[in-house]
Amino acid sequence: QQQVKQSPQSLIVQKGGIPIINCAYENTAFDYFPWYQQFPGKGPALLIAIRPDVSEKKEGRFTISFNKSAKQFSLHIMDSQPGDSATYFCAASIVGSNYKLTFGKGTLLTVNP
Amino acid sequence: GAVVSQHPSRVICKSGTSVKIECRSLDFQATTMFWYRQFPKQSLMLMATSNEGSKATYEQGVEKDKFLINHASLTLSTLTVTSAHPEDSSFYICSARDTSIYGYTFGSGTRLTVV
Repeated sequence: QQQVKQSPQSLIVQKGGIPIINCAYENTAFDYFPWYQQFPGKGPALLIAIRPDVSEKKEGRFTISFNKSAKQFSLHIMDSQPGDSATYFCAASIVGSNYKLTFGKGTLLTVNP
Repeated sequence: GAVVSQHPSRVICKSGTSVKIECRSLDFQATTMFWYRQFPKQSLMLMATSNEGSKATYEQGVEKDKFLINHASLTLSTLTVTSAHPEDSSFYICSARDTSIYGYTFGSGTRLTVV
């Protein structure tokens, strides 16, 4: 049973475009939702994370939108650049415990010049 | 910010030998560390949760006698792949939880190739 469903599997945009990656979760106990960026041969790096008490969080060109009632959250990348080409993973966990991160399957983003 | 150092970054070993991978939290204490395995173009698969001073908790289907995990201090966890076989070749990544900020920081990964 996949607890965090991520889409699309891959995405191609032009430089300056706004790619959007979506995730849906099932476990209503989740209360921490991070996004990670991973380049080939490297470990994931935290981009931005959100808690369910807010509907949107922005850090630089990255924005998370969160819809608690729909159990969905998404990542928007403003003014995308070729250097943003990477694999993006959404994840979910529970604060206040040593609960593991549950990952989505990932989205391979390609930003063309 | 929190930094997790993982070594080695690449290792090639012969079939039947053992390989140890180290994961260190450099600027914070990590009571809990996680070990993942990642196949090409796939997501991270959690192998085990490592708690300082106690036995690791392994995910279903992960052989604990093959993947030995030791978390002897608040800053170091090790994963030893015993009697490695070519099918153990993969990308192994550790993660440590920084309780002061509530976040998970990942190491840079170890590419294991068993020949």
